[in-house]
Amino acid sequence: DAGITQSPRYKITETGRQVTLMCHQTWSHSYMFWYRQDLGHGLRLIYYSAAADITDKGEVPDGYVVSRSKTENFPLTLESATRSQTSVYFCASSERLTGDVVFFGQGTRLTVV
Amino acid sequence: QKEVEQNSGPLSVPEGAIASLNCTYSDRGSQSFFWYRQYSGKSPELIMSIYSNGDKEDGRFTAQLNKASQYVSLLIRDSQPSDSATYLCAVNRINNNAGNMLTFGGGTRLMVKP
Repeated sequence: DAGITQSPRYKITETGRQVTLMCHQTWSHSYMFWYRQDLGHGLRLIYYSAAADITDKGEVPDGYVVSRSKTENFPLTLESATRSQTSVYFCASSERLTGDVVFFGQGTRLTVV
Repeated sequence: QKEVEQNSGPLSVPEGAIASLNCTYSDRGSQSFFWYRQYSGKSPELIMSIYSNGDKEDGRFTAQLNKASQYVSLLIRDSQPSDSATYLCAVNRINNNAGNMLTFGGGTRLMVKP
């Protein structure tokens, strides 16, 4: 089915481990985003990508790495997970960056113990 | 001061009443404004977008924008229990280095009581 899918849906990892969250979209949207959602902070942008091989930092990029070798995939890696990175992570996409609808994936709930 | 502010609620209204959700933003250069609805444990879904001053109606929903006051609101008429959710206000923000991107408020939790 067309859309944006994230995997895994739930993940528990230990402090210091590397973990990668996957995001795949079938719309061929140019722009893709990673947000984290925490109580009291709402949705905060971690990284975004304007096209394959073009990425840029958002509001809270520290501790995260992204790549985009193909238009449809935008994985997010936590290089050395910390408890403060326990959150719900949403991948999103849109056709244009300005004023266009942003569609969200179903989210990944990550717990760092 | 947060860039996009919303009252966290909960806002409780009886079934059939009008729910009024408010949002203020700080960046006067903002150009596009969105309301997303998020059910508990689910992802945000777009319900309204507005780009110019005034009102925009879509079914039971009306978005209102006042750029001079830097204020966006969402009215939900004939509120239903199924409208109970968190409503997120999002504003596009100009980033001189990278163009425009959305900034979200913290959301307002709406509870519609039967």
